[in-house]
Amino acid sequence: DAKTTQPTSMDCAEGRAANLPCNHSTISGNEYVYWYRQIHSQGPQYIIHGLKNNETNEMASLIITEDRKSSTLILPHATLRDTAVYYCIVRVKDSGGSNYKLTFGKGTLLTVNP
Amino acid sequence: EPEVTQTPSHQVTQMGQEVILRCVPISNHLYFYWYRQILGQKVEFLVSFYNNEISEKSEIFDDQFSVERPDGSNFTLKIRSTKLEDSAMYFCASRRQGGQPQHFGDGTRLSIL
Repeated sequence: DAKTTQPTSMDCAEGRAANLPCNHSTISGNEYVYWYRQIHSQGPQYIIHGLKNNETNEMASLIITEDRKSSTLILPHATLRDTAVYYCIVRVKDSGGSNYKLTFGKGTLLTVNP
Repeated sequence: EPEVTQTPSHQVTQMGQEVILRCVPISNHLYFYWYRQILGQKVEFLVSFYNNEISEKSEIFDDQFSVERPDGSNFTLKIRSTKLEDSAMYFCASRRQGGQPQHFGDGTRLSIL
């Protein structure tokens, strides 16, 4: 699986958009970008994933550059409860029988300030 | 929304004792996983399980570890003879078939004394 690079930490003001970058310059054509977050003392929580098109769900938006070498997770209106470690993970999208483990890096600690 | 449930939330065990960590995956999920996270470190993959057998395991998952799906709902991780270095948060995850993402439980904190 391709390796990812994320900033160690970021700050964001409550109510503002949080934009979390991720570099994955060695991503291959069949690899998806997944985002998870881990709020203190809880299990990783799935946020969103995408291949090459931008994606949006009720939690966040995912913007993937045209060359797919980087992506940005956007939390449009950050709240204090969004303070967490955010993980960008690149993984081959499984097809039927494969199991695909997730390889977590150190992620980005996002701190949302009042 | 359905959740992955793990029990107990905290387990304290003497070194050398056996411990069983329990998980109830989401009901229509077919793939099951265990991960662990030592305090202050990354989340690490331990094992994946599908169709009643182990699909993949990491170097951490040695002969002291085993997994089982004893009935249609539970998924367990057993450590036969615990060591101090087994102290960690253990997370269970599950997913449906196809390209669906894994969903995690909130973990069991295992403390070995």
